[in-house]
Amino acid sequence: EAGVAQSPRYKIIEKRQSVAFWCNPISGHATLYWYQQILGQGPKLLIQFQNNGVVDDSQLPKDRFSAERLKGVDSTLKIQPAKLEDSAVYLCASSNLVGVGYGYTFGSGTRLTVV
Amino acid sequence: TQLLEQSPQFLSIQEGENLTVYCNSSSVFSSLQWYRQEPGEGPVLLVTVVTGGEVKKLKRLTFQFGDARKDSSLHITAAQPGDTGLYLCAGEPRFGGSQGNLIFGKGTKLSVKP
Repeated sequence: EAGVAQSPRYKIIEKRQSVAFWCNPISGHATLYWYQQILGQGPKLLIQFQNNGVVDDSQLPKDRFSAERLKGVDSTLKIQPAKLEDSAVYLCASSNLVGVGYGYTFGSGTRLTVV
Repeated sequence: TQLLEQSPQFLSIQEGENLTVYCNSSSVFSSLQWYRQEPGEGPVLLVTVVTGGEVKKLKRLTFQFGDARKDSSLHITAAQPGDTGLYLCAGEPRFGGSQGNLIFGKGTKLSVKP
């Protein structure tokens, strides 16, 4: 099966600019996650979708970050305006079941550099 | 705050050596997963452990979940250069958080030299 697709792979922007990332999960996977991975750290959850509804966005900096998953398939994550500390890899993951022990399939990520 | 502490943070060994990576927490987890991440790629799931005391083997890799489901270890026998990468443990909190959410440790960066 095709994996989780993310684009772009790399993005360099100046602070205060806007940026958007796109994710297409594995076909049929109802649950979609966006994670932020800062260099030298493990991934940190930003938002979880179940179909097109938000399950958990408690760690999403809502003053500058937004995400949507229209039609319950692909998703976009936006940052507006970007700050230097937003430099990180943004990982999208999907899962076809939610329950104890079901793992994720991750995309390759988008590496964002804010200068 | 639920945290997963991984140790060591960095590990550089010669091909053929054995190694153990640890993942510890004061919190109880419903499940614990191990991922391996290579540079420029997303993490790839290696194994999920669910039952306290559970041991799973994947070729030269042995994973163990602590009896109290607060900690886990990954043991690699006769490491090979292809094992090089960032090893991440991730736990699904038993209490708090949404179902399916994972908390990740900071990872152990393993380098196996030929």
